[in-house]
Amino acid sequence: EAQVTQNPRYLITVTGKKLTVTCSQNMNHEYMSWYRQDPGLGLRQIYYSMNVEVTDKGDVPEGYKVSRKEKRNFPLILESPSPNQTSLYFCASSLSPTSAGNTIYFGEGSWLTVV
Amino acid sequence: RKEVEQDPGPFNVPEGATVAFNCTYSNSASQSFFWYRQDCRKEPKLLMSVYSSGNEDGRFTAQLNRASQYISLLIRDSKLSDSATYLCVKYGNNRLAFGKGNQVVVIP
Repeated sequence: EAQVTQNPRYLITVTGKKLTVTCSQNMNHEYMSWYRQDPGLGLRQIYYSMNVEVTDKGDVPEGYKVSRKEKRNFPLILESPSPNQTSLYFCASSLSPTSAGNTIYFGEGSWLTVV
Repeated sequence: RKEVEQDPGPFNVPEGATVAFNCTYSNSASQSFFWYRQDCRKEPKLLMSVYSSGNEDGRFTAQLNRASQYISLLIRDSKLSDSATYLCVKYGNNRLAFGKGNQVVVIP
């Protein structure tokens, strides 16, 4: 079954304590990306990756890091989380979004609260 | 101007009625367009891709107008199960941009 798996799904953490949200896909997709979704602001792209070892900033990269050492994994790292990073996070993957009809698959989302 | 703009609504639609909404976009370099459906705080799921020639999938019709830079979605014979937020998505310059979504509430 085609899947994008995120972990953890729910997390409450404290300011400054480093955390990593993992994302894994089983479809051999080249393109992976991270989004955060906040009320009234919609989905905003944090980082994306066109392929292994190729990553780039999205619209709101501040306070986040990513890596793409293997095709299937694209972890999101918060080195020093702050309360304004409390949000719902989605990981997504696609063969290549340049072609119409290439579905973007989303993980189920990770609810992160920073206190 | 935001890359993708949608009127968030909500759009209250009587069951069986037709509802249509547009999404405008900036940046004419945009290459691909999609409509995604998102149920309350769950992951978005593909509803349909959007082609310049227009495309239909059952009760749903999507249209792209590159000259005026908007895409549209029409839902015919609305069902209660159509209640959701519909996200307009465009891809260009290696990036995906999402609208804030049109919230649709189908009323019995």
